[in-house]
Amino acid sequence: GEEVAQTPKHLVRGEGQKAKLYCAPIKGHSYVFWYQQVLKNEFKFLISFQNENVFDETGMPKERFSAKCLPNSPCSLEIQATKLEDSAVYFCASSQSTSGNQPQHFGDGTRLSIL
Amino acid sequence: AQSVAQPEDQVKVAEGNPLTVKCTYSVSGNPYLFWYVQYPNRGLQFLLKYITGDNLVKGSYGFEAEFNKSQTSFHLKKPSALVSDSALYFCAVRDADLNDMRFGAGTRLTVKP
Repeated sequence: GEEVAQTPKHLVRGEGQKAKLYCAPIKGHSYVFWYQQVLKNEFKFLISFQNENVFDETGMPKERFSAKCLPNSPCSLEIQATKLEDSAVYFCASSQSTSGNQPQHFGDGTRLSIL
Repeated sequence: AQSVAQPEDQVKVAEGNPLTVKCTYSVSGNPYLFWYVQYPNRGLQFLLKYITGDNLVKGSYGFEAEFNKSQTSFHLKKPSALVSDSALYFCAVRDADLNDMRFGAGTRLTVKP
């Protein structure tokens, strides 16, 4: 598609439950990025993919968070055993290449609320 | 490691007046610099970018940004603000040798009628 599509728009989970978020990048874009935006608006980089391969995962919490980008499927970000502090808006972005001059195109985010 | 700083949490201007949203950066190599805008309940929308060349970059919606290497700054500007420009603005930097992007903390711009 022409836009980055994220689903669902809102996700509510009880503490300790699993949460799974999805992202379909723009068609033809090889790179996918996940960010977490918390209450103070700061964007925290989580992980990036080049096609189905992890490119940079330096921002991913070591525990509970995992992500995949499989061929012919939306990318996903999964949080096991959610905690209250996981409440945030999770944004996915895609870009055409590794060239630094390519902007990232963002989806509208998934708002995750942990109760 | 690359980073950006947006020293102002908020900027308020009157409609029709010029606006400036400040950004300074730190990067080890040559920087690629970006400005994005975020409206409520939406993702980031790309406004403009600096790669190389002219220090004054023109972007979407009448915005422009001035790259200043000596001051390591990339301030966003608009000659005449509109009420509809009210939003959250993010500066971002990417090192030419790295793929990931680092965002500033954001500046909330309010344009009063």
